[in-house]
Amino acid sequence: RKEVEQDPGPFNVPEGATVAFNCTYSNSASQSFFWYRQDCRKEPKLLMSVYSSGNEDGRFTAQLNRASQYISLLIRDSKLSDSATYLCVVTTPGFQKLVFGTGTRLLVSP
Amino acid sequence: GAVVSQHPSRVICKSGTSVKIECRSLDFQATTMFWYRQFPKQSLMLMATSNEGSKATYEQGVEKDKFLINHASLTLSTLTVTSAHPEDSSFYICSARGGNGELFFGEGSRLTVL
Repeated sequence: RKEVEQDPGPFNVPEGATVAFNCTYSNSASQSFFWYRQDCRKEPKLLMSVYSSGNEDGRFTAQLNRASQYISLLIRDSKLSDSATYLCVVTTPGFQKLVFGTGTRLLVSP
Repeated sequence: GAVVSQHPSRVICKSGTSVKIECRSLDFQATTMFWYRQFPKQSLMLMATSNEGSKATYEQGVEKDKFLINHASLTLSTLTVTSAHPEDSSFYICSARGGNGELFFGEGSRLTVL
């Protein structure tokens, strides 16, 4: 089983749609969780951290379910500029390393 | 602007040659830098953790004699792909941890070995 698993997609949605991605992780001792965004052939950029209480940043909402070991990202009112690959990232205990999922590709169309 | 600078962004080389990629932290000192590799449609895979002034820690399956890492200063880590072969063609990305713990990524280096 992969340490971090994501549905690779692509998710094709129209502008204005709401879309949700899920991610599961295998190490129950994982400490920190993030969503990164990666545009084609570019470096990943931090989108948001994920907290147990859930957190929201504008149109983006992230949630963590430690019991079920999954993380979610909800994007409301999708924009064309949201088209990218969204990477679920988990840190190992002690924040020693980041483990990346394969990413979920989102395509927002007019 | 970028806080981690990576160079070169693209490199094409012949099989058997060695290629050096530089990763610099700008405006902050990084005692630890990380080197990742990403093949098309795959996730970033950690290759090694580069520690200033000491030997790098390599992940399982990564050949330390092939991927030489040098972290001689608090702002510079280098990755040298020795005797590169076509299967080494990939996107190599470094990252450095800032003072507040956030990881900053370099722009990546796309290596093509002919």
